[in-house]
Amino acid sequence: EDKVVQSPLSLVVHEGDTVTLNCSYEVTNFRSLLWYKQEKKAPTFLFMLTSSGIEKKSGRLSSILDKKELFSILNITATQTGDSAVYLCAVLNTGTASKLTFGTGTRLQVTL
Amino acid sequence: NAGVTQTPKFQVLKTGQSMTLQCAQDMNHNSMYWYRQDPGMGLRLIYYSASEGTTDKGEVPNGYNVSRLNKREFSLRLESAAPSQTSVYFCASCQGWEKLFFGSGTQLSVL
Repeated sequence: EDKVVQSPLSLVVHEGDTVTLNCSYEVTNFRSLLWYKQEKKAPTFLFMLTSSGIEKKSGRLSSILDKKELFSILNITATQTGDSAVYLCAVLNTGTASKLTFGTGTRLQVTL
Repeated sequence: NAGVTQTPKFQVLKTGQSMTLQCAQDMNHNSMYWYRQDPGMGLRLIYYSASEGTTDKGEVPNGYNVSRLNKREFSLRLESAAPSQTSVYFCASCQGWEKLFFGSGTQLSVL
């Protein structure tokens, strides 16, 4: 059974801090790892990572995948209150359909 | 751009009642999914449809049925609702090995 574990479960930081969110996984036929941000409603897509060692960046957010050690990290620099959300990690297998297995998420709260 | 549209947004049911959650996507995606999200449990896959005419069970299918009505629409039915089915339900779609696009969710309470 595919498994995704995220840490920490929750985190409170001050605006301007840098945070690192962790995601480790066990999946039978790995294809890619995805990060989503969930504020009030639907998860919104951040990154898809398929190859090891290639950093994906979008503004203050970046992510990298290590396929040998089976983990990924999501970094957020110079955090803002608008970064407060639940960050979800998910892995995609190579089965018939694009089935995502999600972790339980990391709840990030950024305070002034 | 509508993307993935779910109805209703909120629903309260009594134990034993039935209901159908509707989902439609306008992105011409082949694959569609139903997830439920519970506190501390993350998103769990209920059923999915890899293409029109096919459906398969996910991680937590018990108590649910689905219908892939056509390429656009994928409905989720609760035949006899139970309090354990109180959750937030998300429909999603994707094309090939790409990212999933999610609907805005249905908050369901079963009393």
